[in-house]
Amino acid sequence: DIQMTQSPSTLSAFVGDTVTITCRASQSISSSLGWYQQKPGKAPKLLIYKASILEDGVPSRFTGSGSGAEFTLTISSLQPDDFATYYCQQYDNYPWTFGQGTKVDI
Amino acid sequence: EVQLLESGGGLVQPGGSLRLSCAASGFIFRNYALSWVRQAPGKGLEWVSSISNSGGSTFYTDSVKGRFTISRDNSKNTLSLQMDSLREEDTAVYYCAKRLTLGPLDNWGQGTLVTVSS
Repeated sequence: DIQMTQSPSTLSAFVGDTVTITCRASQSISSSLGWYQQKPGKAPKLLIYKASILEDGVPSRFTGSGSGAEFTLTISSLQPDDFATYYCQQYDNYPWTFGQGTKVDI
Repeated sequence: EVQLLESGGGLVQPGGSLRLSCAASGFIFRNYALSWVRQAPGKGLEWVSSISNSGGSTFYTDSVKGRFTISRDNSKNTLSLQMDSLREEDTAVYYCAKRLTLGPLDNWGQGTLVTVSS
């Protein structure tokens, strides 16, 4: 199975900051990577697919990059609505796997 | 607007069975693969199972193989997950989700809670 490792696990930031979350795969997954945002008690929301393509309606302050086995999610000018937990997920091979999550808090 | 509505969760004893359903609307159901993803209390996301648009291909995480069965009815726009031989570690919120074509999961239901406990 492909292991997905996110770092950091927790990230404290201020409104207006730029933050970066890293996701590493245990083997190459090409660009088959998605990023999700989840708020407490809510379903995950897809932000980015194919490593760098912004899902419709997602603000442009979210940027994804990377390919192969190393990926990043950057949030520029952090807004109050962005404080949440973020997950990466590989869909290159079954079983699909998620990173353990990165909680972005104030 | 895509809508996915799960039902069927509840409290069940270890070794018991439960059948989850997901009613879909707002998209051409038969054209898209679907999945179940779960989240144990306070934990991260775990992919459980996926099914192709036709239902001809199914995939499972190892921990549920032989116990869970995913299926779909394209005439009724419904996705199902039959869960047998349930264990306490299956306790989680179960989400159904639609797959973006050749991509990840772009639409999710609100989830249904399954609690396995004696």
